[in-house]
Amino acid sequence: GNSVTQMEGPVTLSEEAFLTINCTYTATGYPSLFWYVQYPGEGLQLLLKATKADDKGSNKGFEATYRKETTSFHLEKGSVQVSDSAVYFCALKRTGNQFYFGTGTSLTVIP
Amino acid sequence: SAVISQKPSRDICQRGTSLTIQCQVDSQVTMMFWYRQQPGQSLTLIATANQGSEATYESGFVIDKFPISRPNLTFSTLTVSNMSPEDSSIYLCSVDGAGTDTQYFGPGTRLTVL
Repeated sequence: GNSVTQMEGPVTLSEEAFLTINCTYTATGYPSLFWYVQYPGEGLQLLLKATKADDKGSNKGFEATYRKETTSFHLEKGSVQVSDSAVYFCALKRTGNQFYFGTGTSLTVIP
Repeated sequence: SAVISQKPSRDICQRGTSLTIQCQVDSQVTMMFWYRQQPGQSLTLIATANQGSEATYESGFVIDKFPISRPNLTFSTLTVSNMSPEDSSIYLCSVDGAGTDTQYFGPGTRLTVL
């Protein structure tokens, strides 16, 4: 079946630290992969996506590369800010409209 | 991207009552989706709502418990019926982005059942 496994949280980092949130997936065929972010009290917002192997999605300093050989889509940012504090969800989409979400990773950045 | 609003943003309800959640989109969309996000957990798709047809429910969700209306291409409602504390969750609606494989989400409705 299709599923997404995310790194357990919560994650606490100091400002300007390097961030990695691991995400691996199980899927038949070639899914599209996504990172969504949920800021406190808000809905999910698309952060970045990649639709085929070796694609790199990027936005607001965040990056993730679609690695088919390791079935991974790890989220990275070189220097986090307090405003990056949020819950991050990895997700995949197969053909059709079905999304599969990971359990979310809570990130807190302290000054 | 689509702009999606939901009402109410939060509510506290008594066991055995029902709550209807509204979802409004700023553009016409074919499909709308309803998700549940239980405390500390991921999103689970409840159902897909197409305008002019019955909603399609995922395994574990039934129409009697979660009736859905889709009267036009910009609006949908989800009712949580005969609520119990286990229904305490965030309920989110979402839509597909036009011509993309991305889904856009509303801000969610935070429901607490006492």
